[in-house]
Amino acid sequence: SQQGEEDPQALSIQEGENATMNCSYKTSINNLQWYRQNSGRGLVHLILIRSNEREKHSGRLRVTLDTSKKSSSLLITASRAADTASYFCATDLASNNNDMRFGAGTRLTVKP
Amino acid sequence: KAGVTQTPRYLIKTRGQQVTLSCSPISGHRSVSWYQQTPGQGLQFLFEYFSETQRNKGNFPGRFSGRQFSNSRSEMNVSTLELGDSALYLCASSSVGGIEETQYFGPGTRLLVL
Repeated sequence: SQQGEEDPQALSIQEGENATMNCSYKTSINNLQWYRQNSGRGLVHLILIRSNEREKHSGRLRVTLDTSKKSSSLLITASRAADTASYFCATDLASNNNDMRFGAGTRLTVKP
Repeated sequence: KAGVTQTPRYLIKTRGQQVTLSCSPISGHRSVSWYQQTPGQGLQFLFEYFSETQRNKGNFPGRFSGRQFSNSRSEMNVSTLELGDSALYLCASSSVGGIEETQYFGPGTRLLVL
């Protein structure tokens, strides 16, 4: 069963705009990761945030984690057409650290 | 280092048949996990192998099985295929499958069951 729920399911923006995607989860976690997937291909790891961290940056990516609300957000700044992809959050359950649970994903379209 | 490779990339089978998918992890990685991705259920964890032993298992029926060889390559087998088994099967490898390790995903095998 899925652990994470991404919101929105689909997002369409213009190049240069910022994109924000949210993820909520249900149970305690060790860490939360964000992945990108292009057109039904393999997943590419973007960023990992530990349960004791609140914010993390990597290039144009900014991830926040609020464990009290069991939610995370991924912000992509100055988006590019190449950012068009599906974005998934994945949680590493605190009780079973090798069983990652993925959300349904947000389909991001960046129009040139 | 070469990335995670999966073979075959595409496969068409009919109901009742069985199928074997292969995954070669990144050199030096000992943990291999398998996931099923479908439009309806999203990405779901199948199982994880480490040092030739199944270490974790998701909620899939016994028709789904796997194994890992001494060189860390892994195979996944699905017997008595059903239409609902049509999916993208992804494998991912990591060094030891630790809590904070990044998993590196292969391109996937797209299985179509007719």
